[in-house]
Amino acid sequence: GAVVSQHPSRVICKSGTSVKIECRSLDFQATTMFWYRQFPKQSLMLMATSNEGSKATYEQGVEKDKFLINHASLTLSTLTVTSAHPEDSSFYICSARDLAGGYEQYFGPGTRLTVT
Amino acid sequence: AQSVTQLGSHVSVSEGALVLLRCNYSSSVPPYLFWYVQYPNQGLQLLLKYTSAATLVKGINGFEAEFKKSETSFHLTKPSAHMSDAAEYFCAVSGNDMRFGAGTRLTVKP
Repeated sequence: GAVVSQHPSRVICKSGTSVKIECRSLDFQATTMFWYRQFPKQSLMLMATSNEGSKATYEQGVEKDKFLINHASLTLSTLTVTSAHPEDSSFYICSARDLAGGYEQYFGPGTRLTVT
Repeated sequence: AQSVTQLGSHVSVSEGALVLLRCNYSSSVPPYLFWYVQYPNQGLQLLLKYTSAATLVKGINGFEAEFKKSETSFHLTKPSAHMSDAAEYFCAVSGNDMRFGAGTRLTVKP
């Protein structure tokens, strides 16, 4: 149980285009989903917290107009990287917290974004 | 605010030797603590978690960790390292959100 999927697993896009990454909780409902970014050989950095049906809360230094987050249902959150630049190339990981409560998060397998 | 500090960005052990990865936490409330392992180009895999039950927590792959409130520590250990344990390990603390340590890269020498 508690499986989170991400799609796509890898994406290459040209500079200036937009890319959408999907995060789904497959066997549970998630009121809260989280988006992290991980640069090579670094730790995970929380980008934003999204609650179903409300606006995402972004961490300091994360541009909300560049990283658009939508959490339209209890099983789906999307991250759209708008006008991507090479410096946005990174590993993006989402996680979800079970509606039943608790402090554990279930992590997706990650999406490798490369902007050329 | 909650945070964790991992001591040692890189730990190298011989196969069969004890593995000890250090994590100290800072929290104003009883913490929920986690250890994750990450293999190259993969997501996180939960090794074990502390949620205020037993202070000695056993996880997968022979790993365990002990919560020591007096030392604000949650160190990860494994009695005998295996080559397949070579990976990046992250300690994390969870409240309203989850905060990760910087990570420790474990190398296992044959």
